[in-house]
Amino acid sequence: GAGVSQSPRYKVAKRGQDVALRCDPISGHVSLFWYQQALGQGPEFLTYFQNEAQLDKSGLPSDRFFAERPEGSVSTLKIQRTQQEDSAVYLCASSLARLALRYNEQFFGPGTRLTVL
Amino acid sequence: GNSVTQMEGPVTLSEEAFLTINCTYTATGYPSLFWYVQYPGEGLQLLLKATKADDKGSNKGFEATYRKETTSFHLEKGSVQVSDSAVYFCALRETSGSRLTFGEGTQLTVNP
Repeated sequence: GAGVSQSPRYKVAKRGQDVALRCDPISGHVSLFWYQQALGQGPEFLTYFQNEAQLDKSGLPSDRFFAERPEGSVSTLKIQRTQQEDSAVYLCASSLARLALRYNEQFFGPGTRLTVL
Repeated sequence: GNSVTQMEGPVTLSEEAFLTINCTYTATGYPSLFWYVQYPGEGLQLLLKATKADDKGSNKGFEATYRKETTSFHLEKGSVQVSDSAVYFCALRETSGSRLTFGEGTQLTVNP
C-alpha cells in the first residue's frame, strides 16, 4: 500500500510569509509525528498526535509553529511569519500502534524542504 | 535529557571493506535503539532495532548489539557495497514516550 506522503516536496517562502505543510499518513495509523531536520543534522522532534489529539507539542520551537490533525488522519504543520532559521526539511512519520508500545515502527515520509529567503 | 552521539563523518570506504559506525547514548530507563538509513532522495527507513540489553538487531548484512554497560549501539557490516552509500542515523525511543531522539547522522560513501 501507499506509504506516508507529504506535500509540497519543496517550498520557497519569503521571510514573513505563512506556510502550510501537509502530511498524509498511512491509512489506519493512529500516531503521527512531525520532525524538523536542519541541513547536516539529525531530525528533531516537533510534535505528536494520537488520532486527533495533540499529546505532545514540546518540540515546537516557537508559537509561530502550529500543527493540527482535525479528523485523526491528514495533518498540517503551519508556520507563521517564517524566518530564515525555519529553513529545514520537515518530516512526517506515522505508526500503527498506540503510545508506549515498544514495537511500533515509525514510517517516514519523504519530507518537505522549506527554504526561507 | 536523552541524547545520541554518532561518530563524525563523512566515512569513505572501498567496496568489500568492513564498516563500523559508532553510536553512544544517554537516556533514563531502558530505551529502544534504532538505526535508520536515508538513501539519496528518499525518506528515512528503519534499518534495524533492538529493544533490550544484549539484543542484536540485524538486516541486509548490517548488525548492531545493544550494550547497556557501555551505552552503545555500534553499527557494523562485514563487506560494504556501493549501494550502501547513504546517511545512517542512530536513534533511541524512551520507554515512557514515543518520540525518537536522533544522532547527527553519518554520511557513508562506498567507492567501487
